[in-house]
Amino acid sequence: ETGVTQTPRHLVMGMTNKKSLKCEQHLGHNAMYWYKQSAKKPLELMFVYSLEERVENNSVPSRFSPECPNSSHLFLHLHTLQPEDSALYLCASSQVSASSYNSPLHFGNGTRLTVT
Amino acid sequence: TQLLEQSPQFLSIQEGENLTVYCNSSSVFSSLQWYRQEPGEGPVLLVTVVTGGEVKKLKRLTFQFGDARKDSSLHITAAQPGDTGLYLCAGHMVEYGNKLVFGAGTILRVKS
Repeated sequence: ETGVTQTPRHLVMGMTNKKSLKCEQHLGHNAMYWYKQSAKKPLELMFVYSLEERVENNSVPSRFSPECPNSSHLFLHLHTLQPEDSALYLCASSQVSASSYNSPLHFGNGTRLTVT
Repeated sequence: TQLLEQSPQFLSIQEGENLTVYCNSSSVFSSLQWYRQEPGEGPVLLVTVVTGGEVKKLKRLTFQFGDARKDSSLHITAAQPGDTGLYLCAGHMVEYGNKLVFGAGTILRVKS
């Protein structure tokens, strides 16, 4: 399997549930990202992991908890979410270096999350 | 206000027509990327532009980076139904340490 794979594709959860989103990249990249995509809004960067270390956390509420066990896998653990957290959650990867900050992002197909 | 404005927000045209979508900012970009996102899928990179005034062509798509590197345009010639999707621009903003910022996108619908 190639590219960036996200599971599940769709998730419906209640506000008291705990669930996890999974992302796996088969591109040999050294950076992975979580983005939130809501209708008519720009993609919001949530977390960045580079070489398995979290290098960016854009003021995301603590009910979202990322985990990056290795360079190929990224998780987003969800706990006591709110209805406004309903969105498409996109995982991406890229190969970054000091000389190529503008490497393209390779996105998965996302998880459509609905919080009821 | 958004750091990167895309216009129009939505465009519905007939097959065969030409169109241009725009990406504008008051800030300078060190580079700018265009992505297309089809329903049910993630965004896919179309092009990266780096030099002010640069023009790149990808079949019927022409991308231009503004001379001052604050804006970009995407022109599609003879649009096809397969061009339907969400077009996103994303720029590495110099004043934010080359942080990548996305626009909200232009939804294009090409009717046959």
